[in-house]
Amino acid sequence: GNSVTQMEGPVTLSEEAFLTINCTYTATGYPSLFWYVQYPGEGLQLLLKATKADDKGSNKGFEATYRKETTSFHLEKGSVQVSDSAVYFCALRRIQGAQKLVFGQGTRLTINP
Amino acid sequence: ETGVTQSPTHLIKTRGQQVTLRCSSQSGHNTVSWYQQALGQGPQFIFQYYREEENGRGNFPPRFSGLQFPNYSSELNVNALELDDSALYLCASSDGTSGGNTIYFGEGSWLTVV
Repeated sequence: GNSVTQMEGPVTLSEEAFLTINCTYTATGYPSLFWYVQYPGEGLQLLLKATKADDKGSNKGFEATYRKETTSFHLEKGSVQVSDSAVYFCALRRIQGAQKLVFGQGTRLTINP
Repeated sequence: ETGVTQSPTHLIKTRGQQVTLRCSSQSGHNTVSWYQQALGQGPQFIFQYYREEENGRGNFPPRFSGLQFPNYSSELNVNALELDDSALYLCASSDGTSGGNTIYFGEGSWLTVV
């Protein structure tokens, strides 16, 4: 079946540090890949997405590249801010069929000033 | 602001009771899905509605049921509540079912079962 495995948290960094959150997936076919962010007490917000191999999604300084050969979609940011503190979820979705997102377990990120 | 609104935002129910959660999808979106997010976990897919018909379901028992109305708003009903049903329930909408379409989430309804 389809599944997503994320780097276990929590992750604590200092402001302006480089961030990587690892995400690997198992899927039949070629899914679309997503990163969602959840700020405290809020719902999920789409951060970025990639719909085919070698696509790079980017938003708000975050980037992730769809790597079919390593079945990965790692999230990176060159210089994090305190406001980036949140829980980050990697997810996949099949191209056809139900609008079913399969999520990883989430990685809690805390940025200290 | 995603345009997906859910109500109520918080509620407390007693084991064995029934609950109805409501969702208004973003304007023009004909597909609605529901997710359950237990504390510290990723969201789990419950089911999806496309043009008023259920067209996908996750691994949830039949006491989880839903409806989609002609204006594409939706309800999630849970009967015979159990303690483990305590979670954040998220509604999501999109335009169609294509894998590349963006899915927008509401802020969720926090359900506590005591």
